[in-house]
Parts: sequence; structure tokens; C-alpha cells
Amino acid sequence: DGGITQSPKYLFRKEGQNVTLSCEQNLNHDAMYWYRQDPGQGLRLIYYSQIVNDFQKGDIAEGYSVSREKKESFPLTVTSAQKNPTAFYLCASSRYSLRQPQHFGDGTRLSIL
Amino acid sequence: QQQVKQSPQSLIVQKGGIPIINCAYENTAFDYFPWYQQFPGKGPALLIAIRPDVSEKKEGRFTISFNKSAKQFSLHIMDSQPGDSATYFCAASGSRLTFGEGTQLTVNP
Repeated sequence: DGGITQSPKYLFRKEGQNVTLSCEQNLNHDAMYWYRQDPGQGLRLIYYSQIVNDFQKGDIAEGYSVSREKKESFPLTVTSAQKNPTAFYLCASSRYSLRQPQHFGDGTRLSIL
Repeated sequence: QQQVKQSPQSLIVQKGGIPIINCAYENTAFDYFPWYQQFPGKGPALLIAIRPDVSEKKEGRFTISFNKSAKQFSLHIMDSQPGDSATYFCAASGSRLTFGEGTQLTVNP
């Protein structure tokens, strides 16, 4: 079955530590996205990528970094500069552009130790 | 201009009731309006979507009503079931997808 796999499901970060969230898709989609979900705030776009080796900042990119070396993979690093990283992180993909329906993974819940 | 306002924030209905979730937007460039359903601990899943050239779309028990002049659209769930209990997000797409804040729906048995 095609889909989006996020790992790990739960992640804990210590002060001053960078952590990386994995996102892999086998849907052959060109575009991939990272969202942050906080209670009562909907989904906020962190970064997106429409093609390999290119990505753009979303609405809340500060304290985060991404890479897109392969079409299937779009890892997100939460850096120590992100002072409030506790949230549910969702990865998504779509066939061509940002206007297409988006397919989501099942998320990674990040907490601070 | 890019915001999508969703209401109510939470909604409780009895089994068989018809919950209605409303969304409003300002940007007239939006031309695709999907709804997503999210269960706890899972990612959102596309439920139903509409384009502004139609006023209503039905898929099973789910119906989207669209009022272009008022810049509003809504989701109706007919004959709601406890299994419909989830968080529902509306969204609107122009140059990219913008999400509403979400509605937590509880359907009591």
C-alpha cells in the first residue's frame, strides 16, 4: 500500500539538543510538507518542497530546518533554537503542487524532557 | 487575507443528529475547498472537497454546502454515528492550502 511513514511516533528532546523527524513517502509525489499541530490552532505550515533539492519556508520556519535529497524523503530537524517545540508534527505529500489534495502521515509527537 | 475561520470549536450531538460545521474565508482567489477528518493520534484524511462552481456536493452521509457570494462553506453529517467522533478541519486553496482551526465533534450513543 502506498502511503506516508513518519518515525518515530514519540520523541523526547533534551535542552540544547537537535532532533530529526523522519518522513518517507512511496506515493511518487513531487511535493512534500511539514506541519505543526497545537491544540486549538489547526495546522501551521513549517516548510514545503515541490522538487528535490529545493524547499521553501512556511509560516513558522524559525527554529526548524529541512532537506530534500531524495524524492521520497523529507526529514525535519527541530533545532535548539526552537524554544517551544512540544507539538504534534505532521508530514504530508501531494502529486504536483501546493493546490493538490494532501495525504498525511500519522505524525510524530515531540515532547521536552 | 489567507485566513480561514472555522466554527464551532467543539460540538456534541446525539446519534442520528446532523452536526453542521461552518467555515468562512476572505480571499476570493481560493478555488478549492477540502474537508479533512482526523482521529486521535492519526494524521488528517481527506473527506470531501468542493470547487466554487457548484453549491453542494454529497458523498455518502457527508455534504458540503458552498455559498460563493457569502464566502462561506459548511459540512453537514447526516445520521451521525459515534464513529464519526473526530476533529474536522476545513481548508481553502489558492496558491497553497490554508487550514481552519478545527472542530472537535463528539457523537454520543
